[in-house]
Amino acid sequence: GAGVSQSPSNKVTEKGKDVELRCDPISGHTALYWYRQSLGQGLEFLIYFQGNSAPDKSGLPSDRFSAERTGGSVSTLTIQRTQQEDSAVYLCASSSWTSGGADTQYFGPGTRLTVL
Amino acid sequence: KQEVTQIPAALSVPEGENLVLNCSFTDSAIYNLQWFRQDPGKGLTSLLLIQSSQREQTSGRLNASLDKSSGRSTLYIAASQPGDSATYLCAIPKAAGNKLTFGGGTRVLVKP
Repeated sequence: GAGVSQSPSNKVTEKGKDVELRCDPISGHTALYWYRQSLGQGLEFLIYFQGNSAPDKSGLPSDRFSAERTGGSVSTLTIQRTQQEDSAVYLCASSSWTSGGADTQYFGPGTRLTVL
Repeated sequence: KQEVTQIPAALSVPEGENLVLNCSFTDSAIYNLQWFRQDPGKGLTSLLLIQSSQREQTSGRLNASLDKSSGRSTLYIAASQPGDSATYLCAIPKAAGNKLTFGGGTRVLVKP
């Protein structure tokens, strides 16, 4: 079946502009995650959605970052007033939720964001 | 707070040699440990997942071991091939289905 998809694959924006990044998880996966990968910081967790529970936003670096998940499927990560330090690859992952079994996270190809 | 470390950061081996990749973690109370592969400019591909109760997991030429007491996991890749060249990352979730804490990765180059 189809894997996790993300759009756009590349985004170049000017400092101060808002951007929206989209993630389509694997059908039926109830958990969705956003991570950021930058040269100096490696892979960092941003936010996590599980079913109808309140999202875990503990990894969001500032209040300029927000995310929503509509209908328990597609998610959008929004960065307002972008800064140059926001330049990174933004990765989305999804997994099926089990009470005791394996719950491998499947990653999308990422969106490379460049803020000029 | 869980910290995950991968040493070395880079590794170069001739084709055919076995690869040994190390991952260490500070909190032994893990739910599972996952190994991923990342090719340049690409997302992550899941290789192996070892549950907390397991000692090892195998898939083809890949074998991953887990020793919680010492806070270590090792990924073995037998008879390396140039196509194995990539960055390998280990990651640990805080709980079931939870966010992953990643190591810094080991960049592997297999020379023909």
